[in-house]
Amino acid sequence: QSALTQPPSASGSPGQSVTISCTGTSSDVGGYNYVSWYQQHPGKAPKLIIYGVSQRPSGVPDRFSASKSGNTASLTVSGLQADDEADYYCSSYAGSNNLGGFGGGTKLTVL
Amino acid sequence: EVQLLESGGGLVQPGGSLRLSCAASGFTFSSYALSWVRQAPGKGLELVSTISGSGGSIYHADSVKGRFTISRDNSKNALYLQLNSLRAEDTAVYYCAKGGRQQPFDPWGQGTLVSVSS
Repeated sequence: QSALTQPPSASGSPGQSVTISCTGTSSDVGGYNYVSWYQQHPGKAPKLIIYGVSQRPSGVPDRFSASKSGNTASLTVSGLQADDEADYYCSSYAGSNNLGGFGGGTKLTVL
Repeated sequence: EVQLLESGGGLVQPGGSLRLSCAASGFTFSSYALSWVRQAPGKGLELVSTISGSGGSIYHADSVKGRFTISRDNSKNALYLQLNSLRAEDTAVYYCAKGGRQQPFDPWGQGTLVSVSS
């Protein structure tokens, strides 16, 4: 299974930017361009906000952006708003013989 | 609009069994991989199982291998997860999601709660 590492928490003030990292290996994040990010508000199902490393689904604000360098993917939330306070999870494809999986999640607090 | 609706959760004793179902609509069902993802209370997301569009390729997490079985019925637009030999640590909200493997998980159902307790 995939073992992606995320910081447990991140924070920023309204209007600021915050970046959340997701570190894997050359067998997952570093080896494929199939990294996705999910936002989950308390009591709700997760929602896709980024796929294919940096692509935004329709309806996701362009305040959400993402990239990858080596074995680490990053999600940046710009112009923080109160509603951005949520848990964020990364996920990566991990090859034909592996299930793949999620990072441990990062709780984003808007101060 | 793509919709996924889970059912079948509930309270079960350790060692018991449950069958979860996920009814899908709004897309060409047989063309997409589907997955089950669970979330224990207060914990993160765990990918449990993924099945290919044809049903010919199946993947299970090591934590459930030999106990859980994912399947699908493309004639009924339905996804299933058979849970056997349940343990307390299987207590979680179980979500079905369209996607898996190289496809992002999108969208997700609302989840169904499985509680394993005596």
